[in-house]
Amino acid sequence: DVKVTQSSRYLVKRTGEKVFLECVQDMDHENMFWYRQDPGLGLRLIYFSYDVKMKEKGDIPEGYSVSREKKERFSLILESASTNQTSMYLCASSRGQGGSPLHFGNGTRLTVT
Amino acid sequence: GQNIDQPTEMTATEGAIVQINCTYQTSGFNGLFWYQQHAGEAPTFLSYNVLDGLEEKGRFSSFLSRSKGYSYLLLKELQMKDSASYLCAGTPSGGYNKLIFGAGTRLAVHP
Repeated sequence: DVKVTQSSRYLVKRTGEKVFLECVQDMDHENMFWYRQDPGLGLRLIYFSYDVKMKEKGDIPEGYSVSREKKERFSLILESASTNQTSMYLCASSRGQGGSPLHFGNGTRLTVT
Repeated sequence: GQNIDQPTEMTATEGAIVQINCTYQTSGFNGLFWYQQHAGEAPTFLSYNVLDGLEEKGRFSSFLSRSKGYSYLLLKELQMKDSASYLCAGTPSGGYNKLIFGAGTRLAVHP
């Protein structure tokens, strides 16, 4: 069974802090994704990666960056956290071929004060 | 943009059948996924349709019409544990298998 693990379930940070959200998958998946989920807006794609050291912007990349140094790990970085980045962050992974389902981690609830 | 639309909320009775609809721009997507998400939990995969027609999987079935930009998820013999949000998601043309999600439909099943 695929396991996607996010390092923190809950996180509270101050405005202006640099924040790292870590995600690890154990199924050798090529693709990894970071989404944020907000009430009424659904899941919105921030960044994704289809290979080590490769990254692509999603629909809302502003204020975020990512790092994928190893195949199993995909990190989301908030360079300078702001209150409008308070959200649920979900990491996912999938195999490379089209139609492969995304497998999600349990999410990190980030609050920026 | 690539919009995916689905109703915000639905209610149904235990034992009944419910159909959750999803509409999208026909030019934008290759296939449609359905996910289930219980409150406070991660979304879990239910179904994937890339061809027109109905795919049946136990109590859950999913339908796709690519020419109409329309999909639905059909839940039969509803159980209380089916109370959850149901997310429709499309795979945009262009590869990489990224998904674009609708806002989700919150289903409440009552006794």
